[in-house]
Amino acid sequence: DTGVSQDPRHKITKRGQNVTFRCDPISEHNRLYWYRQTLGQGPEFLTYFQNEAQLEKSRLLSDRFSAERPKGSFSTLEIQRTEQGDSAMYLCASNPGGGGQPQHFGDGTRLSIL
Amino acid sequence: AQKVTQAQTEISVVEKEDVTLDCVYETRDTTYYLFWYKQPPSGELVFLIRRNSFDEQNEISGRYSWNFQKSTSSFNFTITASQVVDSAVYFCALSDTETSGSRLTFGEGTQLTVNP
Repeated sequence: DTGVSQDPRHKITKRGQNVTFRCDPISEHNRLYWYRQTLGQGPEFLTYFQNEAQLEKSRLLSDRFSAERPKGSFSTLEIQRTEQGDSAMYLCASNPGGGGQPQHFGDGTRLSIL
Repeated sequence: AQKVTQAQTEISVVEKEDVTLDCVYETRDTTYYLFWYKQPPSGELVFLIRRNSFDEQNEISGRYSWNFQKSTSSFNFTITASQVVDSAVYFCALSDTETSGSRLTFGEGTQLTVNP
């Protein structure tokens, strides 16, 4: 059983550019979550999917952020017109769904804005 | 609103010492879940344990043990006979009820350094 996979591991880009991250959850996990973690802080919830449906978005997710999960498998998180404050680790997690199921995390994508 | 507080920012111990990481939480839900995750320098969050709000039985797993006390809203984690490989950031997290998607609310983490 392979774990959650995220790509790329690192992304360095100039301010104002668009970036897209990919997450492949554990096979047959219905729920997929995105979190953001800045240095010295715990992860903060951004959004989650139940299959292909995006059911909740945090207020942290500005209109420059968009996430998709076509066909209920992998997910992408896009940030448009990146800003310095977007520099962070972006974490993806998945679980089978149902109350209290542990979320299993990927290695994350570290975004650095120049 | 939910909140998790890990008052200890950093802890440093010498190998073989016992160490306890504190976690205090706030929630209005009567049904909730508590978790501990480990984040080694490589960055991946590793799930350690889950407890639901109706199960206050403490648990021991090898060198790890957990003390859940609903009366004080605490869920503390103890490592016995610490080892250098235990060095990591440890996060306590709270999950709300099913209707809210069970998103995790994390504390700010405790950096544990075990010195040889």
